[in-house]
Amino acid sequence: DSGVTQTPKHLITATGQRVTLRCSPRSGDLSVYWYQQSLDQGLQFLIQYYNGEERAKGNILERFSAQQFPDLHSELNLSSLELGDSALYFCASSVLAATYNEQFFGPGTRLTVL
Amino acid sequence: GQQVMQIPQYQHVQEGEDFTTYCNSSTTLSNIQWYKQRPGGHPVFLIQLVKSGEVKKQKRLTFQFGEAKKNSSLHITATQTTDVGTYFCAGRSSGSARQLTFGSGTQLTVLP
Repeated sequence: DSGVTQTPKHLITATGQRVTLRCSPRSGDLSVYWYQQSLDQGLQFLIQYYNGEERAKGNILERFSAQQFPDLHSELNLSSLELGDSALYFCASSVLAATYNEQFFGPGTRLTVL
Repeated sequence: GQQVMQIPQYQHVQEGEDFTTYCNSSTTLSNIQWYKQRPGGHPVFLIQLVKSGEVKKQKRLTFQFGEAKKNSSLHITATQTTDVGTYFCAGRSSGSARQLTFGSGTQLTVLP
């Protein structure tokens, strides 16, 4: 158990819909990262927040957005869903913002778009 | 943009055999991390390398960072069934990039 929690574990929805994935970082961690992992694919970095502010942006689609709240939990919003958005979405956290920090991954949310 | 290539994509070994996965970056890296993801699980941090030519060992696992800081390797001696999983390297370009770029991973299967 990494200490990072993600809800829900599974999500099944239809094309065109909008969903919200939630992540609570480890106690004391200020930085939250979101990754997308498609079948047999590596981890694609989406976005990073540090203490409520966006710090780094990766290959995140315009239909996706995220935020980090004052209590440091984060939400990833996916809208106008397409079949290709089906994937495992991981949240990770670290103490500080820099890439020298070990990242602790949550169990992931498996999104299926039908 | 920065690319991190990892080979091989898949590796099947007999229990007791050695295993190596290689990671190559298109740019010089400031640091590289290795993660392991068990089937159905989430990535778990193994180690970080920062210095040119650095070698670190964790029991049967040996990690190396190349002299030019553009490549890295993970070697497992005498694999066990508990080593099954996908091994990812992740590096940050020594330029202005702020995030880690993950390699595509090597999926290791250990046959008993």
